[in-house]
Amino acid sequence: KAGVTQTPRYLIKTRGQQVTLSCSPISGHRSVSWYQQTPGQGLQFLFEYFSETQRNKGNFPGRFSGRQFSNSRSEMNVSTLELGDSALYLCASSPGGRENEAFFGQGTRLTVV
Amino acid sequence: AQSVAQPEDQVNVAEGNPLTVKCTYSVSGNPYLFWYVQYPNRGLQFLLKYITGDNLVKGSYGFEAEFNKSQTSFHLKKPSALVSDSALYFCAVRDKDSGYSTLTFGKGTMLLVSP
Repeated sequence: KAGVTQTPRYLIKTRGQQVTLSCSPISGHRSVSWYQQTPGQGLQFLFEYFSETQRNKGNFPGRFSGRQFSNSRSEMNVSTLELGDSALYLCASSPGGRENEAFFGQGTRLTVV
Repeated sequence: AQSVAQPEDQVNVAEGNPLTVKCTYSVSGNPYLFWYVQYPNRGLQFLLKYITGDNLVKGSYGFEAEFNKSQTSFHLKKPSALVSDSALYFCAVRDKDSGYSTLTFGKGTMLLVSP
């Protein structure tokens, strides 16, 4: 079974631009979550989608948004990039039940200059 | 609200010695507990989880963890550390009983195993 695939692996953007990150979950997984990882803040939850519906949202500004498609693939978008948005963005998929572990992709390293 | 505390930023251990990485949690209901490991520039890899039943859970690569409800802890252990175990370890919790509970992570503990 193929794992969680995130594209691109690396991105460099200029402050003020916007960016879209993509995540393809494991086949059959209906839940996709996104996390931001920085050295100072650790892993912070962005949002979770289940069957195309946002089920949970973390404490991030409205510049961060996401969506999930009917094939469970997910995208997240960050508009008006700030230097502080530089981070590793991780996507995780799971079948959806609370007892199930999440499977993570390798992440997208975003650098804002 | 749920939370996870990993009180040690770094744990140092010599190869061949036992290791422990500490984790305490807080949830309003009953917990599902997870341990993950992260190698440099990689995503998180699942190690083990506690769902119900036996308090001692065995996982990948010889790791195990003990669930202690009274102390709200879920410490990760391994009887004999390897240099290749050096990595960043995350504990996570999800509330079993509340609606739409997310997976909440601790800040991580860096494990350094010296030869």
